[in-house]
Amino acid sequence: GESVGLHLPTLSVQEGDNSIINCAYSNSASDYFIWYKQESGKGPQFIIDIRSNMDKRQGQRVTVLLNKTVKHLSLQIAATQPGDSAVYFCAENRKDTGRRALTFGSGTRLQVQP
Amino acid sequence: NAGVTQTPKFQVLKTGQSMTLQCAQDMNHNSMYWYRQDPGMGLRLIYYSASEGTTDKGEVPNGYNVSRLNKREFSLRLESAAPSQTSVYFCATTTEYNEKLFFGSGTQLSVL
Repeated sequence: GESVGLHLPTLSVQEGDNSIINCAYSNSASDYFIWYKQESGKGPQFIIDIRSNMDKRQGQRVTVLLNKTVKHLSLQIAATQPGDSAVYFCAENRKDTGRRALTFGSGTRLQVQP
Repeated sequence: NAGVTQTPKFQVLKTGQSMTLQCAQDMNHNSMYWYRQDPGMGLRLIYYSASEGTTDKGEVPNGYNVSRLNKREFSLRLESAAPSQTSVYFCATTTEYNEKLFFGSGTQLSVL
């Protein structure tokens, strides 16, 4: 099964609120994690990434938190806007597979209510 | 700069037909990938090419072949399409040491 998964398939928030999207991973060999945003009919777009030697990384309105103890990753979006409505995927680089490729979770749909 | 360009954007095939999905990148990246995305699922790796002249199988390679024509182009071929191959196909690229993937806009394929 998937080693990268999401707790909530759909998240609905009010415009202006903060959003938190969660992701669990099970492979301790993973040392790189990344979040993508995918709008309908488009390819995934990079949001933010983090390496396992970090606990937190911030971008513009987004923050990624990594808890290696419980193998948990989260994406926080501040002041959520209608344009943030999309499906969000987390992915990890699983070193144990020997592949230089990302393994993706199944995604969470974020719906922003006006 | 177009980034990663995929053609065609849409395609309908009958079972047993063959076709090639094209992907070209102008980012001068070494590594290229083909993923498929099915409804409600994440992206699954079909094949990848770490560098020009090499290709490797991913999670779901059965029914597909690939060609890394040169540094810029990486094509995906379906020799005998099956309904189970109905999906959205994404090509992606990355630098050799950077895991961040840059994706194309996808090809929506339906096999009837």
